[in-house]
Amino acid sequence: GEDVEQSLFLSVREGDSSVINCTYTDSSSTYLYWYKQEPGAGLQLLTYIFSNMDMKQDQRLTVLLNKKDKHLSLRIADTQTGDSAIYFCAERGNQGGKLIFGQGTELSVKP
Amino acid sequence: NAGVTQTPKFQVLKTGQSMTLQCAQDMNHEYMSWYRQDPGMGLRLIHYSVGAGITDQGEVPNGYNVSRSTTEDFPLRLLSAAPSQTSVYFCASSDVGTGMNTEAFFGQGTRLTVV
Repeated sequence: GEDVEQSLFLSVREGDSSVINCTYTDSSSTYLYWYKQEPGAGLQLLTYIFSNMDMKQDQRLTVLLNKKDKHLSLRIADTQTGDSAIYFCAERGNQGGKLIFGQGTELSVKP
Repeated sequence: NAGVTQTPKFQVLKTGQSMTLQCAQDMNHEYMSWYRQDPGMGLRLIHYSVGAGITDQGEVPNGYNVSRSTTEDFPLRLLSAAPSQTSVYFCASSDVGTGMNTEAFFGQGTRLTVV
């Protein structure tokens, strides 16, 4: 079945780049998403990429997609303490709006 | 534009009690879903609906019922609460079609504790 995997924790120093990785199994995925969850809050969409793209850049965020390896990554440049949160990777197949989420990666940014 | 509204924000139940978590959206979205979030397990899909009158099971449906009588509302019912249902519950809505407007909007969550 569909599965999305992420590592659980990442710690970086303020000003460094953060790279959060995600793997998925559904080869029919049409869209892949990165969501951010701050403590005590719901999820907010950070960025997304269509499955026919390799890369998408949005200010400090860069998303790379390797369809052959079913690997997605999110790079945050110049990471700030305000970036500390849980980041979820999600994939959407052909079944309408259904999203499958990874476990979430808790990013800790140290000053 | 309120987006997705969940009530209540917090709830404590005794084992065996029943309750309904409310979810309403004002964006005329066809697709609505319920997830539970547990540490280290991400968000797991409980039930979803692709439109009024249509519901289907997700990954972890046992112990939960849903109905979709209107486009706006998608309540989640716990028939007989169990400690294993202690979790944070999120409701989400989105358009179903392809294209740019596929973002899922999430409510703020309901933190449920079953004692």
